[in-house]
Amino acid sequence: KAGVTQTPRYLIKTRGQQVTLSCSPISGHRSVSWYQQTPGQGLQFLFEYFSETQRNKGNFPGRFSGRQFSNSRSEMNVSTLELGDSALYLCASSPEGHLLTEAFFGQGTRLTVV
Amino acid sequence: DQQVKQNSPSLSVQEGRISILNCDYTNSMFDYFLWYKKYPAEGPTFLISISSIKDKNEDGRFTVFLNKSAKHLSLHIVPSQPGDSAVYFCAARATGTASKLTFGTGTRLQVTL
Repeated sequence: KAGVTQTPRYLIKTRGQQVTLSCSPISGHRSVSWYQQTPGQGLQFLFEYFSETQRNKGNFPGRFSGRQFSNSRSEMNVSTLELGDSALYLCASSPEGHLLTEAFFGQGTRLTVV
Repeated sequence: DQQVKQNSPSLSVQEGRISILNCDYTNSMFDYFLWYKKYPAEGPTFLISISSIKDKNEDGRFTVFLNKSAKHLSLHIVPSQPGDSAVYFCAARATGTASKLTFGTGTRLQVTL
């Protein structure tokens, strides 16, 4: 079956703009999580959505937001972009039918803020 | 506050030898641990996991050991192969936090011929 799909793969934005990233989870998966990867910081948890509700949230400012649709697809939005938002944004999906499951990651969206 | 630490940013091992990647954690609420492998320009790929009720889990060439008293886990790869060259991330999940994973900063493994 198809994996986790993230679009776009690459994005260049100007400081102050906003951006929306998209994630389509594996079919049947109801949980979608977002992570930011930067050099030296590793992967940091942004938020998790399950059945269209935000279930967990990391320590990021309110400029970072997300949502999940009824088909489990998810979007994350970053407003008023800063240079430090340049990173690889990864989306992960999980079945949630079993408590001990691993997350399956997409290839990520590489965001560059100039 | 780095709750999951991978203190070795890089590791070089000869092909055929054992690779040992280490991970330390501080949060006693972590009850499930995972290792992911990541190649450049790709998302992390799940390798192996272990529940806190176990101290060892094996899958082919990969074995994860968990020492709860020391809050330490390690990934052993035997024998190491050139295709294993990648960045390895240790991740942990706390009880009741569903899919929220806390990652270490990664260890770059280079397997040389």
